[in-house]
Amino acid sequence: EVQLVESGGGVVRPGGSLRLSCVASGFTFEDFGMSWVRQVPGKGLEWVSGIHGKSGATGYAASVVGRFIISRDNAKNSLYLQMNSLRVEDTAFYHCARGDAGEFWGRGTLVTVSS
Amino acid sequence: DIVMTQSPLSSPVTLGQPASFSCRSSESLVFNDGNTYLSWLQVRPGQPPRLLIYKISNRFFGVPDRFSGSGSGTDFTLKIAGVEAEDVGIYYCMQASHFPYTFGQGTKLEI
Repeated sequence: EVQLVESGGGVVRPGGSLRLSCVASGFTFEDFGMSWVRQVPGKGLEWVSGIHGKSGATGYAASVVGRFIISRDNAKNSLYLQMNSLRVEDTAFYHCARGDAGEFWGRGTLVTVSS
Repeated sequence: DIVMTQSPLSSPVTLGQPASFSCRSSESLVFNDGNTYLSWLQVRPGQPPRLLIYKISNRFFGVPDRFSGSGSGTDFTLKIAGVEAEDVGIYYCMQASHFPYTFGQGTKLEI
């Protein structure tokens, strides 16, 4: 059974940093691209960042480029999102998702940026 | 960035009746491998997104056959043959042909 479990969310002040983690199981992690997607309750989905499985190529939404860094450790079946210079508007549930289509999703971890 | 535009934003339907959602991209979603990475996802209250359709028209595992996807290039459609109560939620199209991937703004299905 495919499982994705996010952690690392919390409350942080504007300008602060957080590192999110997503541990995967039930599939060969290195074979799949992975993404981070965020959702503000009552609002839409926003793709944040993604990393290809084999090439390791990365992409970022314009709203986070230069502030967030995505990475992966295939030996640990883990995906990460280093979030720096956080803003109030980064407040959301952050989900990790497998594959280009978003085949499987974690339940998310809540990031709250507030003074 | 590719802009995904969905319509309508809200779709009131009667149980058992069909529903149709439209999604348009600001440029072609055909990737250089010949595939078109256009997906449809469903979000129900309190749950993570669920993949319904990938690469325009392929139903994901366990998705009922009342869901179908079609389209090409920049115009795509999701259809529900006969809406059931469990289908209430918000439906998003997503393109993964070009970084940054992007979502449409969602269509809310209401019974």
